[in-house]
Parts: sequence; C-alpha cells; structure tokens
Amino acid sequence: DAGVIQSPRHEVTEMGQEVTLRCKPISGHDYLFWYRQTMMRGLELLIYFNNNVPIDDSGMPEDRFSAKMPNASFSTLKIQPSEPRDSAVYFCASSPIQVNTEAFFGQGTRLTVV
Amino acid sequence: QQPVQSPQAVILREGEDAVINCSSSKALYSVHWYRQKHGEAPVFLMILLKGGEQKGHEKISASFNEKKQQSSLYLTASQLSYSGTYFCGTVNNAGNMLTFGGGTRLMVKP
Repeated sequence: DAGVIQSPRHEVTEMGQEVTLRCKPISGHDYLFWYRQTMMRGLELLIYFNNNVPIDDSGMPEDRFSAKMPNASFSTLKIQPSEPRDSAVYFCASSPIQVNTEAFFGQGTRLTVV
Repeated sequence: QQPVQSPQAVILREGEDAVINCSSSKALYSVHWYRQKHGEAPVFLMILLKGGEQKGHEKISASFNEKKQQSSLYLTASQLSYSGTYFCGTVNNAGNMLTFGGGTRLMVKP
C-alpha cells in the first residue's frame, strides 16, 4: 500500500477563498483523523471518522470548517471562507483499529492563507 | 482535551539521556508516542496499553502510570538521529479518540 495520501502538498490562497484538502486513507483502515499542526498548539485533533461516520467534531474550530467522508477511500476537509489564522499544516491519519495499533500519517498539506 | 507534555524543548549532547513526560486530566486507555522530523509526518514509536502491555519498534523505552494518567518516554544514550519533535497521543477510556499534546522538541548535538 502507498500509505496515507494527501493532496495538495502545498496550498497558497487568498483570504476569503474556499480551500479543500483531500485524503486517501490506507485501504482497510476503519478510522480516519484530521489534525492541524501549529507551533503554538502542536497537533490538534479536528475531527475523526469511524467507518465513514463522523464520531467527534468538537475540535473543528469554527463553522467555516467542514469535513466529509463519502466513502472508505476518500475524505475532504473544507475551509470556507479561509482566513490567515487558518495557516498551518493539516495532517490526515488512518488507523485499522485505533486502540492498540499505530496511526499512519499522510505527508500533510501546508496551507498558507494570505 | 489535549495532553500536556514537558519539557517543551530540550538540548542534549550525544550520549546523554532525556525524559519526556505526558499527562492527561482524563482516564486513559492507552498512550502513543510519535517522533516527527522537520518537514515530515509523525512516525510511530510505541504504544503503551492499560495493564502494562507495551508495543514498540525502537530501542526507546516508556512507562505508563494508569492511575496518575501519566506517561514518560526515556531516551538513553541519545544519538543524533533522535533529534525531532516528540508527541504523546492519548486514547480516551472509550478507546475511540486519539489526541496529541503540544510536542517536545529534542535536539541532540555532537
């Protein structure tokens, strides 16, 4: 398997624009997590899915953020409208059975909102 | 709620030891440890489960005190390759949520 695949790797956008980040988890993994990484707050959990169903989205900072997982092989994180404070690295991770196995991270998307 | 890590940063000379601590205000099912190199994704180091089971891939040890909801990562005889940011991830008692702390930046110098 190619691992968790995220796209794009880098995104530069203007304030107010819509941004969509994409993630393809490892095949057969039941859990998918979206994290945001900043120097100040480390790795923040935004939302996670189990078998395509959102389980906890309490980490989503505002209504401007939304996430979907239409099928087992694809998830999106959307920011609309984007703001400069959304600039961060966004990671997607997947896990087969969360409790006692490791989570595999994608390479991340570095988002810059100017 | 994110677990709290300490220290936030540490600088070592090659061969020295370090301890990184992680604590949570909530009951835990397990603790994960990951290391992230600059510009890369976090990579799994080990998992510590309730009851004492430990699973890891490298010669780095850790402990998990379930009652105190604390874990510590022990880096002995540090190598240059140990440099990076270490994250602890805690899994809630329901076993379905993996939350990371703010990270500890470790730099090992020759």
